[in-house]
Amino acid sequence: QQQVKQSPQSLIVQKGGISIINCAYENTAFDYFPWYQQFPGKGPALLIAIRPDVSEKKEGRFTISFNKSAKQFSLHIMDSQPGDSATYFCAASRYNFNKFYFGSGTKLNVKP
Amino acid sequence: DAGVTQSPTHLIKTRGQQVTLRCSPKSGHDTVSWYQQALGQGPQFIFQYYEEEERQRGNFPDRFSGHQFPNYSSELNVNALLLGDSALYLCASSGKVPNTGELFFGEGSRLTVL
Repeated sequence: QQQVKQSPQSLIVQKGGISIINCAYENTAFDYFPWYQQFPGKGPALLIAIRPDVSEKKEGRFTISFNKSAKQFSLHIMDSQPGDSATYFCAASRYNFNKFYFGSGTKLNVKP
Repeated sequence: DAGVTQSPTHLIKTRGQQVTLRCSPKSGHDTVSWYQQALGQGPQFIFQYYEEEERQRGNFPDRFSGHQFPNYSSELNVNALLLGDSALYLCASSGKVPNTGELFFGEGSRLTVL
């Protein structure tokens, strides 16, 4: 059973637009939800993360929205830039950070 | 400050062979996790090592084994390779207390099984 489901699989956005990627999780014991960004040939790198005690977290152009009752969270990239073109993964973990469950990824292409 | 380093970068093996992948964690980190990333998929947790012990394991067969050395570096061994083992193998390290939860990934070892 897939613990974290991510959509869409791919996304094309014009420069300056808003990119939105959604994730849903199953296990209510999860309490740490990061987003990772991966460029071709590189390992994933942490972009932003949220704990379930807040509904939103913003860092620059990146915002996580979190809906605990719906068991869903999303990444919003404001003013999307061509340099944001990458694959994005949502993930979830319990408090001990021992094991992370990753979504299947969203390939974002921001057109100039 | 060196990040997570992995070797080799690429390797090709045939079915039934064995492979060993190596990882050096980021300086100051004591915990190493291994993930398998199939093409077009998200990373899947294999196992995590802390204090030279396997602390947690994902849903992978016993053909996958690992080791952590006193200097915190780690190895991933896969025996009796199958075509389905072809993937990018990522090593991730995480810090000592307080552990912020951030995983620092290496660039991976790309394994192709023919």
